[in-house]
Amino acid sequence: AQKITQTQPGMFVQEKEAVTLDCTYDTSDQSYGLFWYKQPSSGEMIFLIYQGSYDEQNATEGRYSLNFQKARKSANLVISASQLGDSAMYFCAMRYTGGFKTIFGAGTRLFVKA
Amino acid sequence: DTAVSQTPKYLVTQMGNDKSIKCEQNLGHDTMYWYKQDSKKFLKIMFSYNNKELIINETVPNRFSPKSPDKAHLNLHINSLELGDSAVYFCASRGTYEQYFGPGTRLTVT
Repeated sequence: AQKITQTQPGMFVQEKEAVTLDCTYDTSDQSYGLFWYKQPSSGEMIFLIYQGSYDEQNATEGRYSLNFQKARKSANLVISASQLGDSAMYFCAMRYTGGFKTIFGAGTRLFVKA
Repeated sequence: DTAVSQTPKYLVTQMGNDKSIKCEQNLGHDTMYWYKQDSKKFLKIMFSYNNKELIINETVPNRFSPKSPDKAHLNLHINSLELGDSAVYFCASRGTYEQYFGPGTRLTVT
């Protein structure tokens, strides 16, 4: 069965510094996708970044990058140059390629300090 | 144009009532979802439809009944509301990889 683990319930980071949000997953499938979503206090869910299990390069989207280590089954999100607007809940998620069900982790609440 | 819209945004009702939440997407996607987010922010899938066909039906009380009149719409009807149904309900549609979420409906049962 699929499982996503986010071990950091809350994290603090100083503005302009980089921060890494941890995500580990458990799956027996070889082909899957990994996702990160952001949920600010306003409540909407915002897609940030996607990594396919067969992608050789780590995914990057602007200040977001996904540190994918397949052997360790980890998919950490790195946010560079943190901004106050990055304060939010961040969810890691996974779905089998071709599947319909996405499993979400419990989330990490990030606080960016001025 | 809003990609995924939900109505209403807020819903306050009493125990025992029946209520519906509507969802519409204008992205042309085939697959839509309902999720429930509890007070601890845990996001749990409830239902998924693909081309109007129910493909995921998680362990959800049968008081919850989804309905997809067409690919662009997925509604959620809840009968005999209970206190434990209080949560934020998200509709989503799925593109090639990522999901696009609606703004959520905060349901409060008193």
